[in-house]
Amino acid sequence: AQSVTQLGSHVSVSEGALVLLRCNYSSSVPPYLFWYVQYPNQGLQLLLKYTSAATLVKGINGFEAEFKKSETSFHLTKPSAHMSDAAEYFCAVGWGASKIIFGSGTRLSIRP
Amino acid sequence: SAVISQKPSRDICQRGTSLTIQCQVDSQVTMMFWYRQQPGQSLTLIATANQGSEATYESGFVIDKFPISRPNLTFSTLTVSNMSPEDSSIYLCSVEEVGNRGYNEQFFGPGTRLTVL
Repeated sequence: AQSVTQLGSHVSVSEGALVLLRCNYSSSVPPYLFWYVQYPNQGLQLLLKYTSAATLVKGINGFEAEFKKSETSFHLTKPSAHMSDAAEYFCAVGWGASKIIFGSGTRLSIRP
Repeated sequence: SAVISQKPSRDICQRGTSLTIQCQVDSQVTMMFWYRQQPGQSLTLIATANQGSEATYESGFVIDKFPISRPNLTFSTLTVSNMSPEDSSIYLCSVEEVGNRGYNEQFFGPGTRLTVL
């Protein structure tokens, strides 16, 4: 069965530092890969979606993710962290928007 | 993009009782989804609810425990029946719609935080 693994349940970075959140998918390439963000006491919001059109996907709020088939990875990055980036981040795989399987999530904390 | 509201936003319930959660969307949508997010865990899909048909439940979830209604294209309810403390979770509804980026996305409601004592 298709799945995703997020390495690190909690990541802490300093404000202004690089953000790297890791995600690996199971070996068969799903049609779509997603990153969602969940701010405290809010629902999920789509950051970006990989659709095979381009391996580097740019999302909202300065985030981007790169699809690497050789590494079965879809890591999320942001060059410079901001305090407002503190949230829970979920990697997910899907077949269209209807059937989505979420990873276990990574909580991002930003140190002043 | 769809705007989704859920009622109640949170509740504390006694074991053995039932709670019905409402999900309202500001536009007509075909597919609605219900998820459970247990404390400290990821989201798990409970069921898919299409208007005019029976909800489709995922493995591990049954209609007797989580009955769902979908009376029209903008509204759905999820009932958590005969609750136990293990049902304490956040319950989220979502809809599939074409977003402003031009492709189908799932848009999520703010969730209902349920605590069962």
